[in-house]
Amino acid sequence: SQTIHQWPATLVQPVGSPLSLECTVEGTSNPNLYWYRQAAGRGLQLLFYSVGIGQISSEVPQNLSASRPQDRQFILSSKKLLLSDSGFYLCAWSANWGRDGYTFGSGTRLTVV
Amino acid sequence: AQRVTQPEKLLSVFKGAPVELKCNYSYSGSPELFWYVQYSRQRLQLLLRHISRESIKGFTADLNKGETSFHLKKPFAQEEDSAMYYCALSGITNAGKSTFGDGTTLTVKP
Repeated sequence: SQTIHQWPATLVQPVGSPLSLECTVEGTSNPNLYWYRQAAGRGLQLLFYSVGIGQISSEVPQNLSASRPQDRQFILSSKKLLLSDSGFYLCAWSANWGRDGYTFGSGTRLTVV
Repeated sequence: AQRVTQPEKLLSVFKGAPVELKCNYSYSGSPELFWYVQYSRQRLQLLLRHISRESIKGFTADLNKGETSFHLKKPFAQEEDSAMYYCALSGITNAGKSTFGDGTTLTVKP
């Protein structure tokens, strides 16, 4: 069966420090991968998506970047965190071009101090 | 552009009462619509898809293209239905990217 792992679960980082959040998927190949940010009381905002190794599309200009070094690995990064980067980050994967819906990771709560 | 609107941030009903969570969408193509649910301290998970025309945990949702709506309904709410519900729209022509509504927090009171 397919599973998705996301870590760390929580992270407290100082302003200006780098960031690396990792997401891996098991039990499937060539998934579509997504990074979302979930704000309290708001919906999910799509940050990046990837349809294959090395293929990254950015949805909103920001201080973050994403990479997909392997088929089932998706990484969210920043060189220098800002206070406004605080939030809850979700990784998700889909098959069949999203027609089956998404499977989400458990999320990372990032607090920039 | 695709957009999803959930007009109610909070919805409270008594156990056994019917419940309807509203969702309206805007999309120029043929939409794929979904409902997701997030129970307390659990990860966000898919509840149902319009294309499956299924009933999950007693919930159903019908796509009304004329009214551009995909409301989620359950005839008799249970306390365990208390959760955050998100409506989402996906277009297969754009890598399956989904646009989510802001969510509705449903509370079912005993």
